[in-house]
Amino acid sequence: EMQLVETGGGLIQPGGSLRLSCAASGFTVSSNYMSWVRQAPERGLEWVSIIYEGGSTYYADSVKGRFTISRDNSKNTLYLQMSSLRAEDTAVYFCARVRLGDTVLAYDAFDIWGQGTMVTVSS
Amino acid sequence: DIQMTQSPSSLSASVGDRVTITCRASQSISTYLNWYQQKPGKAPKLLIYAVSSLQSGVPSRFSGSGSGTDFTLTISSLQPEDFATYYCQQSYIIRTFGQGTTVEIK
Repeated sequence: EMQLVETGGGLIQPGGSLRLSCAASGFTVSSNYMSWVRQAPERGLEWVSIIYEGGSTYYADSVKGRFTISRDNSKNTLYLQMSSLRAEDTAVYFCARVRLGDTVLAYDAFDIWGQGTMVTVSS
Repeated sequence: DIQMTQSPSSLSASVGDRVTITCRASQSISTYLNWYQQKPGKAPKLLIYAVSSLQSGVPSRFSGSGSGTDFTLTISSLQPEDFATYYCQQSYIIRTFGQGTTVEIK
């Protein structure tokens, strides 16, 4: 069974740093596009960051320069290093696998999700 | 950035009703449009990808249509387990979600 499990959330003061982990099983992180999506309390989904199979990374403007996505192939794990945290970063953070289409049907969708880990930024 | 606008933001419906949710992109996104269902306290679940392709295991009462900038999610006969929030999402340029549509019990 393909599965993602996030860990690392918690309560952190504004300006602090935190690293989230997302351990994958049943598939290889490095062979897939992998992403982070967050959801503030009582709010909608917000895409945060993505790492491509080749290692290219992209970020939402709201976190650019403060968050870093990475992976450890030996541990089959995705990470999100978050720094200079703000109250507005408070959210449940989900990791997700991206499934890609092919030459017949072009698409790019989040098909496997973790259960999420809560990050609360507050003094 | 591509903006995704869903309507309505919420709706009330009864079991057996036909429900339609629309999603508009701020520019053409080809076939890079997906729909997700989320229940409270749970991770989102992929329902439809590439505008109209049903994800494995998703009931056939769910369907998607549209092209270019205007897309629709339809539930042909609403079931009790379908009361949830639905999000559209584009992956043509970076990734963006719509603001969500909550389907509530009438």
